[in-house]
Amino acid sequence: AQSVSQHNHHVILSEAASLELGCNYSYGGTVNLFWYVQYPGQHLQLLLKYFSGDPLVKGIKGFEAEFIKSKFSFNLRKPSVQWSDTAEYFCAVNAQYSGAGSYQLTFGKGTKLSVIP
Amino acid sequence: DAGVIQSPRHEVTEMGQEVTLRCKPISGHDYLFWYRQTMMRGLELLIYFNNNVPIDDSGMPEDRFSAKMPNASFSTLKIQPSEPRDSAVYFCASSLLERVETQYFGPGTRLLVL
Repeated sequence: AQSVSQHNHHVILSEAASLELGCNYSYGGTVNLFWYVQYPGQHLQLLLKYFSGDPLVKGIKGFEAEFIKSKFSFNLRKPSVQWSDTAEYFCAVNAQYSGAGSYQLTFGKGTKLSVIP
Repeated sequence: DAGVIQSPRHEVTEMGQEVTLRCKPISGHDYLFWYRQTMMRGLELLIYFNNNVPIDDSGMPEDRFSAKMPNASFSTLKIQPSEPRDSAVYFCASSLLERVETQYFGPGTRLLVL
């Protein structure tokens, strides 16, 4: 079964700092990759997704992520964070294989981002 | 579209009581997923349905948990009897057949079992 690792549990940055959140997955086959964001007290919202093509994916609110197949990674980046980016960020993987469970997402444990004004 | 709707948003109950969580998926979506989120285990898939039929319930923790989808616009997750360790946020999500992997989440039900 696939697994997803988000190595940083809590990241604290000042406004305007650059952000990179790590995500690694374990599955040797074809994958679809996602980043979700959960603002305090709210539900998960899709930030960006990668299915195929250009490994550099741009999402909403200035976020982007790069899929590096050789490293099994899908790191999330933003050049300059804002206080409103304070949230929890989840990486998720969908492994492409046939059979029951092939549509499920496996989530990482999440990374809390706190942006200090 | 109103998005995925869940009720109640908050539920506090006593150990041993029955709890029913409700979900209305986005209209036209073919798949419905139930997740549980805890500090210890993160976000876990419990069960998912395709066209109202349960496809994979391997994530359901034990027999105290059951889920139904009587029609395309309604699903329930029931815990009977509830235990304190069931305290968590329960999310429902739905997706289209064409892009099942892209799931849209509801606001969640925060459950506290005393």
